Amino acid sequence: DAGITQSPRHKVTETGTPVTLRCHQTENHRYMYWYRQDPGHGLRLIHYSYGVKDTDKGEVSDGYSVSRSKTEDFLLTLESATSSQTSVYFCAISEGRENTFGSGTRLTVV
Amino acid sequence: GNSVTQMEGPVTLSEEAFLTINCTYTATGYPSLFWYVQYPGEGLQLLLKATKADDKGSNKGFEATYRKETTSFHLEKGSVQVSDSAVYFCALRALGGGADGLTFGKGTHLIIQP
Repeated sequence: DAGITQSPRHKVTETGTPVTLRCHQTENHRYMYWYRQDPGHGLRLIHYSYGVKDTDKGEVSDGYSVSRSKTEDFLLTLESATSSQTSVYFCAISEGRENTFGSGTRLTVV
Repeated sequence: GNSVTQMEGPVTLSEEAFLTINCTYTATGYPSLFWYVQYPGEGLQLLLKATKADDKGSNKGFEATYRKETTSFHLEKGSVQVSDSAVYFCALRALGGGADGLTFGKGTHLIIQP
């Protein structure tokens, strides 16, 4: 068990409001990732981190920012939520070559 | 860039049928290849993996062989069960990708009928 916890599990928010999703891991993994899952698109990488304060953009980073001030926490922020950001968001850590995923956060922007 | 193409489905089979889900990829070098499974309402679980050409990954009766010559990693199972109903994702990680994440196919929804 990679000890990955995502919070909240579900959230409904209004267009234009800021939203922060949290990913917490307990096993001191260096690499962490945020993906979004949408029908017909599979999973797409938003941002990733390779250490404290070290982050980089993924395939679909527009409208998102991240922060990693501690090894165990990786935060994803939607500065001003839009309906196109309604999705299921997954956090992951890297173990060897593969990723291990959290349970996901279902975000609805109305 | 890297990409993964898989049949999208839904794929509907009867219990005990033979399953094949096709997956082909485009990548520089020799990536690691994965199949993930997602049961309803859950996150993704690693089903199997292969890290070099001709490797065969296997788990829970599922198998996939890394075919460099055809850039494929097709998922197979000899006799499916209702409990195999899920969404299956093929994915790759480029060799030397460092911190880079995985590249996923769009997923194949598998429905097994009793």
